[in-house]
Amino acid sequence: AQKVTQAQTEISVVEKEDVTLDCVYETRDTTYYLFWYKQPPSGELVFLIRRNSFDEQNEISGRYSWNFQKSTSSFNFTITASQVVDSAVYFCALSVLEYGNKLVFGAGTILRVKS
Amino acid sequence: DVKVTQSSRYLVKRTGEKVFLECVQDMDHENMFWYRQDPGLGLRLIYFSYDVKMKEKGDIPEGYSVSREKKERFSLILESASTNQTSMYLCASSRRGGGRLGTQYFGPGTRLTVL
Repeated sequence: AQKVTQAQTEISVVEKEDVTLDCVYETRDTTYYLFWYKQPPSGELVFLIRRNSFDEQNEISGRYSWNFQKSTSSFNFTITASQVVDSAVYFCALSVLEYGNKLVFGAGTILRVKS
Repeated sequence: DVKVTQSSRYLVKRTGEKVFLECVQDMDHENMFWYRQDPGLGLRLIYFSYDVKMKEKGDIPEGYSVSREKKERFSLILESASTNQTSMYLCASSRRGGGRLGTQYFGPGTRLTVL
């Protein structure tokens, strides 16, 4: 069975601070995909990144960066110089290579960035 | 851009009513999904469909049914709404396959309240 744990229920930071959102996953499959989604107050989940299990290269996109470590089964997300617009719920998710690509989501982390 | 639309953003129904939630995607995706989102629980899969007229149960199908008569449309049906079905309902779609193809794109959600 697959499981995703986001231990941080809620994080509050002041604008321009860096913040890291943690994600730990469990799966016995060797081929899997990891995702991060952002859910702003409007409600729609916005796709941020996808990583497959064979690619441990970290990725940076603007102020966003992701650290994938298979040794610790973690896929952490860092926002550098946070902004108020980053305030949202962030979900980490896992899918295994099977028909349908069902996603297993973590409980989500609420990020509040204060000005 | 992938576009997933849901028929209502907010819906209020009474206990025992039959409720239809509609989802339409415009990207010719094979897979479609219905999730419900509850605080502290993340998103949980109700049903998904990988082709027209095909459906599979997700993790919490009890009290729900689905219909997929056309490729672009996936309906979630609450046969007899109950107060414990008050929740945010999110629809998603994806191509068939893993990785980039299998990335799910979400609609804006329907917040259903059952009184």
